[in-house]
Amino acid sequence: DVKVTQSSRYLVKRTGEKVFLECVQDMDHENMFWYRQDPGLGLRLIYFSYDVKMKEKGDIPEGYSVSREKKERFSLILESASTNQTSMYLCASSSPGQGPEQYFGPGTRLTVT
Amino acid sequence: AQSVTQPDIHITVSEGASLELRCNYSYGATPYLFWYVQSPGQGLQLLLKYFSGDTLVQGIKGFEAEFKRSQSSFNLRKPSVHWSDAAEYFCAVGPVNTGFQKLVFGTGTRLLVSP
Repeated sequence: DVKVTQSSRYLVKRTGEKVFLECVQDMDHENMFWYRQDPGLGLRLIYFSYDVKMKEKGDIPEGYSVSREKKERFSLILESASTNQTSMYLCASSSPGQGPEQYFGPGTRLTVT
Repeated sequence: AQSVTQPDIHITVSEGASLELRCNYSYGATPYLFWYVQSPGQGLQLLLKYFSGDTLVQGIKGFEAEFKRSQSSFNLRKPSVHWSDAAEYFCAVGPVNTGFQKLVFGTGTRLLVSP
């Protein structure tokens, strides 16, 4: 079974702090994704990566950056957290050889105060 | 533009009753189609998927979905709902021929199950 893990289930940070969200997958997947989920808005893609050190902006990249130094790990960085970044953050992975279906981690609920 | 519409924000079903969740999509060609379920506080779990072939696909937990090309729909069904099915359900579409494999998600339907 594919396993995607996220470093924290719940996180509380202060405005202006730098925040790191970590995601690790154990299935050697090439593609990794970061989404944020807000009520009524569904899932919105922040960034994705299709290879180590490669990244592409999604639909809402402003205020975020990412890092992928190893194939299994994809980090989301909030350079200076703001209250409007309070949200559920979901990481996912997929492999081109297995079709576009994505496998999700359990999510990190981030609160910025 | 690619889009997925789930017209029902909330649906309440009695335990034991049948369920149908609606999904319509707008896409350039027949895409890959998915249904995911999200239990409270959890990530998304894949329920079922359609790539090609038989338009009625079976998934986990007794769910099935039917692809109707003429209606651009991929509705999710279950003949008898259990209380544990209360969750949020997301329909998603994905590209057939591209390397980036981004999915487009609907906004979700929250299922409530009454006793």
